[in-house]
Amino acid sequence: GIQVEQSPPDLILQEGANSTLRCNFSDSVNNLQWFHQNPWGQLINLFYIPSGTKQNGRLSATTVATERYSLLYISSSQTTDSGVYFCAVGQYGNKLVFGAGTILRVKS
Amino acid sequence: GAVVSQHPSRVICKSGTSVKIECRSLDFQATTMFWYRQFPKQSLMLMATSNEGSKATYEQGVEKDKFLINHASLTLSTLTVTSAHPEDSSFYICSAKTSGGSSYNEQFFGPGTRLTVL
Repeated sequence: GIQVEQSPPDLILQEGANSTLRCNFSDSVNNLQWFHQNPWGQLINLFYIPSGTKQNGRLSATTVATERYSLLYISSSQTTDSGVYFCAVGQYGNKLVFGAGTILRVKS
Repeated sequence: GAVVSQHPSRVICKSGTSVKIECRSLDFQATTMFWYRQFPKQSLMLMATSNEGSKATYEQGVEKDKFLINHASLTLSTLTVTSAHPEDSSFYICSAKTSGGSSYNEQFFGPGTRLTVL
């Protein structure tokens, strides 16, 4: 099956810093989503981005489908950005395969 | 829009009992819902795909007789953990897929149900 690798596994930032999270996948996809899992376990949809670039406030994402990777950019990080960020990809059957996640800690 | 709810949010039960978890799409119809399980400090693993009006499709290694799924309407899917044992303790999360628009494959997740089996 398709493999999804996220990097880095852990990231510690000072408040106000910028960061880039990466997601590599091993096959072509027709769905790619980025999520933020808050401390209570809720998955928050950040981006649905099987290709192209999107921006939402301090967050933006780019997926280069031909090269099988996606990037999530967080600018001017805040303590509330802390949590786990997941990349998940889907192929023909709609089901999502999740990466292992990136644990982000933003210090004030 | 695209809100998914789960009930209960937390349940503690004795070994050998059955527990039912409900997943509802509140503001859209979902012909397909998914059930995931997440162990502490791990990622989400798909357990099964639930299709309205038909049998669920289970992932390899998931016991269909232990994890019963019923998708009786376009807004409700239920997961029943039968004869629960301590190793079934986990965080169970459902998701629902929208069926139209520019992001027709996008999945939205419920808040999860934390199951503890004593």
